[in-house]
Amino acid sequence: KAGVTQTPRYLIKTRGQQVTLSCSPISGHRSVSWYQQTPGQGLQFLFEYFSETQRNKGNFPGRFSGRQFSNSRSEMNVSTLELGDSALYLCASSLEGGTPLHFGNGTRLTVT
Amino acid sequence: AQSVTQPDIHITVSEGASLELRCNYSYGATPYLFWYVQSPGQGLQLLLKYFSGDTLVQGIKGFEAEFKRSQSSFNLRKPSVHWSDAAEYFCAVVPQNSGGSNYKLTFGKGTLLTVNP
Repeated sequence: KAGVTQTPRYLIKTRGQQVTLSCSPISGHRSVSWYQQTPGQGLQFLFEYFSETQRNKGNFPGRFSGRQFSNSRSEMNVSTLELGDSALYLCASSLEGGTPLHFGNGTRLTVT
Repeated sequence: AQSVTQPDIHITVSEGASLELRCNYSYGATPYLFWYVQSPGQGLQLLLKYFSGDTLVQGIKGFEAEFKRSQSSFNLRKPSVHWSDAAEYFCAVVPQNSGGSNYKLTFGKGTLLTVNP
């Protein structure tokens, strides 16, 4: 069974631009969560989607948004990029939400 | 405020030596407890978890962790470290009875493990 797939692996963007990250969960998993990892703040929860609905949200500004499609694939969007948005963005999936979470290898976003 | 603390930012051990990584939490009630490992350029892999019951938990790759309620700790141990164990280790918690719509992991800042040959 394929694991969680995140694309692209690396992204370089300029301040003010927007970016979209993609996550394909493990087959059959309906819950997708997103986490941001930075050296300063560590790993922080962004949001969780289940059956195309956002069920849970972390403390991030509205520039961070996401969505989930009917096949459970999820996208995360960051608008008006700031230098501080440079991070590793990790996606995790689970059957219904909850443990165990299966993480992808992440998308490394660099904002210049 | 609820928090997870990993006091050691960086630990260096020799191959074959024993290892203990510390994790302390501050929560109103005992949460669910997890240890994850992250190798360079990789995502997070679950090593083990504690929900209830036996306070000594066995995980993958020869790791174990002990839950101590009195100390609010969940320390990770391995009797003999291998060079391939070099990675970053994260302790994480979720409030008990979380699931579905209110499930989100709170992570410690991580401990970077270096293994000397």
